[in-house]
Amino acid sequence: DVKVTQSSRYLVKRTGEKVFLECVQDMDHENMFWYRQDPGLGLRLIYFSYDVKMKEKGDIPEGYSVSREKKERFSLILESASTNQTSMYLCASSQNREETQYFGPGTRLLVL
Amino acid sequence: GQNIDQPTEMTATEGAIVQINCTYQTSGFNGLFWYQQHAGEAPTFLSYNVLDGLEEKGRFSSFLSRSKGYSYLLLKELQMKDSASYLCAVTDTDKLIFGTGTRLQVFP
Repeated sequence: DVKVTQSSRYLVKRTGEKVFLECVQDMDHENMFWYRQDPGLGLRLIYFSYDVKMKEKGDIPEGYSVSREKKERFSLILESASTNQTSMYLCASSQNREETQYFGPGTRLLVL
Repeated sequence: GQNIDQPTEMTATEGAIVQINCTYQTSGFNGLFWYQQHAGEAPTFLSYNVLDGLEEKGRFSSFLSRSKGYSYLLLKELQMKDSASYLCAVTDTDKLIFGTGTRLQVFP
């Protein structure tokens, strides 16, 4: 079975702090994704990556950056956290772009 | 532009059948996914439709009409554990676009 893990289930940070969210997948998938999920808005794509050291902006990249130094690991970085970044963050991976995405358990981030 | 519509909430009774509809408009459609998401948990894959028609998988079936931009998820013999959100997602060129999800509540 595909396993996607995220570094934290719950995180509380203060406005202005730098925040790192880590995601690791164990299936040698090429593609990795970061989403945020908010009530009434569904899942929105922040960034995705199709290969090591490669990244593409999703629909809402502002205020975020990403890093993919190794194939299995995809990090989401909030350079200076703001209260409007309080959300559930979900990481996903897939073998091919058109194939099923497998999700991690999510990180619920609260920015005070 | 991109647009995916599905009902916000639905209720049904244990043992019944429920149909969750999804309509979409995208420019680079390749296929449509249905995911199930229990409260506080990650979405899990249910089905993937590329061609027109019905795909059956146990109690769950998914239908696609590409010409109409329409899909539905059919859940039979509902169980209490089916209470969850059901997300419709379409592939648009190189990424997935998700609907806002349909929250299904199953009552005894």
